[in-house]
Amino acid sequence: NAGVTQTPKFQVLKTGQSMTLQCAQDMNHNSMYWYRQDPGMGLRLIYYSASEGTTDKGEVPNGYNVSRLNKREFSLRLESAAPSQTSVYFCASRTGVLETQYFGPGTRLLVL
Amino acid sequence: LAKTTQPISMDSYEGQEVNITCSHNNIATNDYITWYQQFPSQGPRFIIQGYKTKVTNEVASLFIPADRKSSTLSLPRVSLSDTAVYYCLVVTNTGGFKTIFGAGTRLFVKA
Repeated sequence: NAGVTQTPKFQVLKTGQSMTLQCAQDMNHNSMYWYRQDPGMGLRLIYYSASEGTTDKGEVPNGYNVSRLNKREFSLRLESAAPSQTSVYFCASRTGVLETQYFGPGTRLLVL
Repeated sequence: LAKTTQPISMDSYEGQEVNITCSHNNIATNDYITWYQQFPSQGPRFIIQGYKTKVTNEVASLFIPADRKSSTLSLPRVSLSDTAVYYCLVVTNTGGFKTIFGAGTRLFVKA
């Protein structure tokens, strides 16, 4: 039981490049989340998926797209990376609204 | 979702009890208060959740007054390893999956 896994662990992009961050969970959780955390700051919600087949915007969705591929996987895509998107990206999942959120190890993204 | 306000940072010494207070003036009837802990370079992890009065587990206690407009996370006898960021969240049981973390409180425990 790996919990929540994220790939890659670290990525360097040039401005304008695109990439997809992958997230998978093996806990049969219904809802999944993408957060970003800038240095010295709290977590900000980018997008979330309450259940398979649904996605909703969070606090800072601009510049990102998501796909809930199936119940296990929730990907985050940057179509045209910008230096302002340099951050650590965390994926999380949970079963119900009052249940614990479980987080992945994070992806460190540097956009030059 | 009710907005939460907590101190930006706190300092303490090993062995002391630490109390972190969170304000959530607009909390609704169906809302619960949840606290997470985050160590550097890791994702947050759940500490404790409560609705009213007092909740205690092996890690912390959570005190919620009758009006529920604030809550206090209490960490007994902290150690250096309790240095982390602590987040207070309000979550609802009425189907709202959107979860906002906020800035959190940076606790620094000194020897």
